[in-house]
Amino acid sequence: DAGVIQSPRHEVTEMGQEVTLRCKPISGHNSLFWYRQTMMRGLELLIYFNNNVPIDDSGMPEDRFSAKMPNASFSTLKIQPSEPRDSAVYFCASSWGPPGGGELFFGEGSRLTVL
Amino acid sequence: GDSVTQMEGPVTLSEEAFLTINCTYTATGYPSLFWYVQYPGEGLQLLLKATKADDKGSNKGFEATYRKETTSFHLEKGSVQVSDSAVYFCALGTNAGNMLTFGGGTRLMVKP
Repeated sequence: DAGVIQSPRHEVTEMGQEVTLRCKPISGHNSLFWYRQTMMRGLELLIYFNNNVPIDDSGMPEDRFSAKMPNASFSTLKIQPSEPRDSAVYFCASSWGPPGGGELFFGEGSRLTVL
Repeated sequence: GDSVTQMEGPVTLSEEAFLTINCTYTATGYPSLFWYVQYPGEGLQLLLKATKADDKGSNKGFEATYRKETTSFHLEKGSVQVSDSAVYFCALGTNAGNMLTFGGGTRLMVKP
C-alpha cells in the first residue's frame, strides 16, 4: 500500500488567503485524524472522523478551520482566511481496528507557511 | 481525562550509550500504550506497543514494559546509534475509541 498521502508537501501563502490541505488515507481504514505540529504547542489533534463522520472536532482552533471527508478515500482541511499563527506542519493519519487504540499511520505532513 | 507525561528533552547521548526516556500516564480503564518515533522531515510511525499490564513491547532494539502499578511505560535501548536520533512520543489509547493521547515528545540526539 502507498500509505497515507498528503498534498501539498509545502505551501507558502500570504495572510488572508485560503489554504486547502488534502489527504488520502490507507484503503480500508475507517478512522482519519488531522493533527497540527508546532514547536511551541507540540502535536495537537484537530479533528477525528470515523466512517467519514466527524466524531470529535474540539481541537479545531476556530471557525476559520473546517474539515470534510466526503468519502472513505479523501479528506480536506481548509483554513480561510489564513493567518501567520497557522504556520505549522499538518499531519493526516488513518487507522483501522476496534476501539482501544489501533495503530495510527501518518502521512509525511504538509508544511504550511503563512506570511 | 487521559494524559501522558514524558521527560523533556533534548536528550543528548554518545553512540553506544544506554537510553531511557520516561513516560507516565493517567487514564481511566485499561489503556493500550504506544511509542511512536518521528525522524526528521517525516510523519510519526509506530515503534512498539503493549496492550495489557506486564506486557513488553520491543522493536529495533527498543523495549518498554507496561507497568500498571507505577502507571509507566519507559522506553529503553541498550546501545543507541546515530540513526536513532529522532523525536519519540509516548501515547495511550482507550476503549473510548481509536483516538490516541500523545505526550509532548522527547528529542533524542546521538553523537558519534
